[in-house]
Amino acid sequence: EAGVAQSPRYKIIEKRQSVAFWCNPISGHATLYWYQQILGQGPKLLIQFQNNGVVDDSQLPKDRFSAERLKGVDSTLKIQPAKLEDSAVYLCASSLLTDLNEQFFGPGTRLTVL
Amino acid sequence: KQEVTQIPAALSVPEGENLVLNCSFTDSAIYNLQWFRQDPGKGLTSLLLIQSSQREQTSGRLNASLDKSSGRSTLYIAASQPGDSATYLCAVGGTGGFKTIFGAGTRLFVKA
Repeated sequence: EAGVAQSPRYKIIEKRQSVAFWCNPISGHATLYWYQQILGQGPKLLIQFQNNGVVDDSQLPKDRFSAERLKGVDSTLKIQPAKLEDSAVYLCASSLLTDLNEQFFGPGTRLTVL
Repeated sequence: KQEVTQIPAALSVPEGENLVLNCSFTDSAIYNLQWFRQDPGKGLTSLLLIQSSQREQTSGRLNASLDKSSGRSTLYIAASQPGDSATYLCAVGGTGGFKTIFGAGTRLFVKA
């Protein structure tokens, strides 16, 4: 069974530029999560989708971050414009039905903002 | 507000030792707790998921326990090996308005 796929694996941009990350969850998984992990910290949930609906986006900085999951399968997370403090690893995860189920993570995208 | 704490932040043990990693949470209204392993530069690997109605889960040399009333979970690793060296993270899934919240992790180093 294929795992959660993410791309790109690494991205370096300058502040005020835009960047987008892509995630393809495990086939058949209804719930998809985006997390931000700053060095030395645990992941912080940014947004959670169930199918193509948003379940929770309370910690998403909506002035600069956006995410979509239009067909209920893959998802994109965008930052526009980026700030220095956005430097982090962005992790995507999926679970079968809801967040009652086990979460499976992708390899992450390491973003460096200069 | 739910807070998740993992102590110690780092741990170094000789190979073969049995060890316990701790995870505590402030709000007992959780519906599950999951333990993960993270290797440097990699994503998270799920180790064990404990539902709120369960007391423990076991997988191989790993055993995780959950005590909701005291707000604690422990991950027991038997007969540690150098390959167990990684950061171990716990995450709680909650009811009542919060979603998944992670601790900062325990960095484990097992010396050969």
